[in-house]
Amino acid sequence: GAGVSQSPSNKVTEKGKDVELRCDPISGHTALYWYRQSLGQGLEFLIYFQGNSAPDKSGLPSDRFSAERTGGSVSTLTIQRTQQEDSAVYLCASSVVGTLAGTDTQYFGPGTRLTVL
Amino acid sequence: QKEVEQNSGPLSVPEGAIASLNCTYSDRGSQSFFWYRQYSGKSPELIMSIYSNGDKEDGRFTAQLNKASQYVSLLIRDSQPSDSATYLCAVRTGRRALTFGSGTRLQVQP
Repeated sequence: GAGVSQSPSNKVTEKGKDVELRCDPISGHTALYWYRQSLGQGLEFLIYFQGNSAPDKSGLPSDRFSAERTGGSVSTLTIQRTQQEDSAVYLCASSVVGTLAGTDTQYFGPGTRLTVL
Repeated sequence: QKEVEQNSGPLSVPEGAIASLNCTYSDRGSQSFFWYRQYSGKSPELIMSIYSNGDKEDGRFTAQLNKASQYVSLLIRDSQPSDSATYLCAVRTGRRALTFGSGTRLQVQP
């Protein structure tokens, strides 16, 4: 079946502009995560959605970052007034939350490479 | 102190050798542990998951977990050039998101 998809694959924007990044999770996956990865670094957690529960926003670096998930499926990450330090690869992952807490496997999409000039 | 620490490498091993990748974590309440492989320019893919102390084997890969010492390792037997990648250790504590180390770059020399 289809994996996690993200769009666009690349985005170049000017400092101060807003950007929207989209994630389509695997069908049937109830959990959706956003991470970002700066050059040569590990992944940094941004936000987590699980079903109809309130999202875990504890990883968002500033109030310029927001995300929503419509209909329990597609998610959009919005970065307002982009800064050069926002340049990174933004990765989305999804999983099926099982009965044994913490054991679900996260499957990653190909990422969106954001470059802020 | 970082929550999840890995040696950045590169770790260079000859083809056919055993590659040993190590990871330490700071939160004793951590419950689940994962190793992801990431090729340059690609997204991470899961190699192994481990939840209990001891060893877990899957083909050429063995994950080892020692909760008392707060470390998790990944052994790759009969290393192949195609194993050359960055290996990310990830830990889950409480919340469902993962905390990642910065990765160890493995180079397998043919």
